[in-house]
Amino acid sequence: GESVGLHLPTLSVQEGDNSIINCAYSNSASDYFIWYKQESGKGPQFIIDIRSNMDKRQGQRVTVLLNKTVKHLSLQIAATQPGDSAVYFCAENIRTGYSTLTFGKGTMLLVSP
Amino acid sequence: NAGVTQTPKFQVLKTGQSMTLQCAQDMNHNSMYWYRQDPGMGLRLIYYSASEGTTDKGEVPNGYNVSRLNKREFSLRLESAAPSQTSVYFCASSEVSVRRGSFTTNEKLFFGSGTQLSVL
Repeated sequence: GESVGLHLPTLSVQEGDNSIINCAYSNSASDYFIWYKQESGKGPQFIIDIRSNMDKRQGQRVTVLLNKTVKHLSLQIAATQPGDSAVYFCAENIRTGYSTLTFGKGTMLLVSP
Repeated sequence: NAGVTQTPKFQVLKTGQSMTLQCAQDMNHNSMYWYRQDPGMGLRLIYYSASEGTTDKGEVPNGYNVSRLNKREFSLRLESAAPSQTSVYFCASSEVSVRRGSFTTNEKLFFGSGTQLSVL
């Protein structure tokens, strides 16, 4: 079958480098954002989330930055490892009625040893 | 603790055939979802169930039906499969349901491993 990564923007890095994956979100009313990692043949896996009252949140080797002025979200991965190779999705929660997550199309991260 | 379990993992159908995709979660989550994932389209919401006994249409509901059988199980049915329904299907459940004034929001979805469906 077709790969979920077909036609996706791709970021290629060397093992040990820091990676930055960017995401532009669509709605200024969104108040919750989340990053997912999807490895080939698997379902999306939660990485980190952030609310709109924060500019930055850190996890283990990952940092999410939120710039509400320009509606931009980024995921920073420190000391990238080959196991980080995957498609990364951002999602926003648009605050209308019963709101569910709206997903971006994703960025493929390729880490070479 | 298995999380979200989907069956089957792979399925091939002929146009016009019917089938049901099964999903179960063991995290005691109230909300469950069905998404489809197509190349270049990202994840698109088909149907969701905010709580046991309720279901609602998402972004792309045409050609599908759902049943929230109980709190654990949420099934997706294709009554007459079409080639346009060839996709990877993901079930998800939600940990957090937050009521904020006039709206309700769910956060941090947990996904199953997917069903790859081909309709010939």
